[in-house]
Amino acid sequence: DIQMTQSPSSLSASVGDRVTITCQASQDISNYLNWYQQKPGKAPKLLIYDASNLETGVPSRFSGSGSGTDFTFTISSLQPEDIATYYCQQYDNLPLVFGQGTKLEIK
Amino acid sequence: QVQLVQSGSELKKPGASVKVSCKASGYTFTSYAMNWVRQAPGQGLEWMGWINTNTGNPTYAQGFTGRFVFSLDTSVSTAYLQISSLKAEDTAVYYCARDPDGSGPDYMDVWGKGTTVTVSS
Repeated sequence: DIQMTQSPSSLSASVGDRVTITCQASQDISNYLNWYQQKPGKAPKLLIYDASNLETGVPSRFSGSGSGTDFTFTISSLQPEDIATYYCQQYDNLPLVFGQGTKLEIK
Repeated sequence: QVQLVQSGSELKKPGASVKVSCKASGYTFTSYAMNWVRQAPGQGLEWMGWINTNTGNPTYAQGFTGRFVFSLDTSVSTAYLQISSLKAEDTAVYYCARDPDGSGPDYMDVWGKGTTVTVSS
């Protein structure tokens, strides 16, 4: 199975900060990488698909980049409502695999 | 609007079975695959597998074979997850999640709210 390693596992930042999360695949997955946001007690929400495509209705402060094995998720200006856990997920091969998550908190 | 409505929380004893439902509305059910995702308490997301809503063919991730069964009733646009011989470690929130690619899983664009299954004696 492909392994997905996210870092950091937790992050504290201030409102307005630029926040970056990375996700590394154990092998080349091209651009078959998605990003989800999960707020406490809620279902996950798709933010980015195919590494860099913003899902409809998602604010433009969210973005994704990368290909191959290294991927980046960025929030350009952190807002209070962005407090959540973020997951990457690969779909190059079955089984689909999620990263372990990055818990984002407000400083 | 497009939504997946899951059945309510379940409390079961070890050894019992449970069937979770996921009713789709607002779109053509058979045009999208359906994934199932588990989240144990305080843990991350774990993909359980998916079902082709056209053919009914399920695919299970390792660790979810044998006791786990995905099924459909296309007449009511509903997907089901049945878990038999429940164990304490099956305690989790179970999500159904729509996949835009009807022929294979890639990303999950619509999620149910989750069904909490608690297994306890």
